[in-house]
Amino acid sequence: ILNVEQSPQSLHVQEGDSTNFTCSFPSSNFYALHWYRWETAKSPEALFVMTLNGDEKKKGRISATLNTKEGYSYLYIKGSQPEDSATYLCAFPRNAGNMLTFGGGTRLMVKP
Amino acid sequence: DAGVTQSPTHLIKTRGQQVTLRCSPISGHKSVSWYQQVLGQGPQFIFQYYEKEERGRGNFPDRFSARQFPNYSSELNVNALLLGDSALYLCASSGSGFGDTAEYFGEGSWLTVV
Repeated sequence: ILNVEQSPQSLHVQEGDSTNFTCSFPSSNFYALHWYRWETAKSPEALFVMTLNGDEKKKGRISATLNTKEGYSYLYIKGSQPEDSATYLCAFPRNAGNMLTFGGGTRLMVKP
Repeated sequence: DAGVTQSPTHLIKTRGQQVTLRCSPISGHKSVSWYQQVLGQGPQFIFQYYEKEERGRGNFPDRFSARQFPNYSSELNVNALLLGDSALYLCASSGSGFGDTAEYFGEGSWLTVV
């Protein structure tokens, strides 16, 4: 059984705050780590797919790091905006196929 | 370009009935996966199909079945519905279906079983 854990479960921040969340995953048989953003009433949207230990990816104000040896990834949002309010999900492919095991998500709410 | 489309968006069924959910992947994508999401949890993997062949199956009972058609669209069938099957069912597509490529999700089909 694969365990993918995310923390915190929810987070309330003020506009302009920077924030970060954690995803932990099995460190053995690593293939890739996915991050998705899921806004209410929309479909989950891929942010990053990370494959290499030490990898760091950036998309606008959002960035992510990966440590495959210890089994964790951090997602950072710099200067949070109300439009960043969403649930952020990480997912771990079971094997080379894209059968993803998702964490429970971190629900971010950014107050103007 | 059209994204992943799912139908119906909402439906209500009675316990014991059967339901069919449909998914059209992004044009050119050969892999389709199905996920079930219940409130408060992350999506759970049900099936993956690639080139019309089942590539993987999650921990779901045999009441759940799926297939993929020559045009790569897919159907998810659930028989003998239980109250616990009430959930959002998400379809996702990708080009290769391998774990190092992002999945593209539809908006889902909300199933309520009463």
